[in-house]
Amino acid sequence: ETGVTQTPRHLVMGMTNKKSLKCEQHLGHNAMYWYKQSAKKPLELMFVYNFKEQTENNSVPSRFSPECPNSSHLFLHLHTLQPEDSALYLCASSQHGTRDYVGIDTQYFGPGTRLTVL
Amino acid sequence: ELKVEQNPLFLSMQEGKNYTIYCNYSTTSDRLYWYRQDPGKSLESLFVLLSNGAVKQEGRLMASLDTKARLSTLHITAAVHDLSATYFCAVDENYQLIWGAGTKLIIKP
Repeated sequence: ETGVTQTPRHLVMGMTNKKSLKCEQHLGHNAMYWYKQSAKKPLELMFVYNFKEQTENNSVPSRFSPECPNSSHLFLHLHTLQPEDSALYLCASSQHGTRDYVGIDTQYFGPGTRLTVL
Repeated sequence: ELKVEQNPLFLSMQEGKNYTIYCNYSTTSDRLYWYRQDPGKSLESLFVLLSNGAVKQEGRLMASLDTKARLSTLHITAAVHDLSATYFCAVDENYQLIWGAGTKLIIKP
């Protein structure tokens, strides 16, 4: 595998279900991100992890719970979601991801998980 | 609140024509990224612009940055069908990317 991979690619779940999204990066990067992409809206940054430590949580509801066991893996645990949470969830990674770095820090994206909440 | 505004949001054009997508932003950031997203696929990095007056070109795409005007442009020269996609600009603010809404570009033969 190369780049950033995400599983599953598609997920349909009921409002009472619990599921998890998985992301893995094979780039040796130190930072990983979760984004939500909804139709006709800009990408919304949800969480940022740098060296496995969560550095940002952009007011995301607690029904979304991230986990970063190591710098290569990132999970998004989902429970009691709402229909408006249906979206494409994108994972990304970058080399640095810190406030102290002022150079290029391109984010590389996975293919996304298309989530539908019924 | 930092805003990143792209226009147009939708563009349908003929092959062989030239056009420009605009990205206005409200911060003093001097780092701006352009990405491409094909339908049903993920985002692919196109350009990173780091300073005022920066210009990058790849094939029929050319991006430029004017930090004084807080404006970046993505110019398409002699468009071909393969360039049909949604194009996003994103501004780096405190190492977080703030994204525009995207410009959906359709190029007709």
